[in-house]
Amino acid sequence: NAGVTQTPKFRILKIGQSMTLQCTQDMNHNYMYWYRQDPGMGLKLIYYSVGAGITDKGEVPNGYNVSRSTTEDFPLRLELAAPSQTSVYFCASSTSDSQSFFGPGTRLTVL
Amino acid sequence: ELKVEQNPLFLSMQEGKNYTIYCNYSTTSDRLYWYRQDPGKSLESLFVLLSNGAVKQEGRLMASLDTKARLSTLHITAAVHDLSATYFCAVDASFGGGADGLTFGKGTHLIIQP
Repeated sequence: NAGVTQTPKFRILKIGQSMTLQCTQDMNHNYMYWYRQDPGMGLKLIYYSVGAGITDKGEVPNGYNVSRSTTEDFPLRLELAAPSQTSVYFCASSTSDSQSFFGPGTRLTVL
Repeated sequence: ELKVEQNPLFLSMQEGKNYTIYCNYSTTSDRLYWYRQDPGKSLESLFVLLSNGAVKQEGRLMASLDTKARLSTLHITAAVHDLSATYFCAVDASFGGGADGLTFGKGTHLIIQP
């Protein structure tokens, strides 16, 4: 099992550009999440999904969109990137009562 | 709104000493998790605490949960340098057995010196 994989590992965007962060899990988990981690801080929930076709906002959803067309994939879309979106983004998956398994992260810089 | 507070946020200690990290949270929950993060890395699960009075131990680390006090502790016994990392507690306050995401503390940055 590869667990949770994310691409890309690093990315630099210019203000106003758009991009999609990819996340895939091979553990057949229903629940998937996107978090962001700012320097020296804990993680904050952006969006989550309880199953294919179902998504919901977390604590900090503004500026992002998600979709969940399959159990395995949960891409995060940034539209009109802003410097405030410079962060490390972690995707995670879980069952309803298990720990969350985290991907390796995507380090994004918006200049 | 669920709030999770850890203290201390920064801890420098000597090898061989004992210490405790505290995690307080503001709303009812019986699911609490401890994670470790090394610099530039992802989060590694340490403990899953799913009921009041739960106690888990792994090596020099022991975690406990008191849901009535809304408090979890992570105790370090006879610290060694390899335990230097940032430790996060995270609370799941989902209703109805769901898993709607975790609320994290700010983390405790732990440095263990020889």
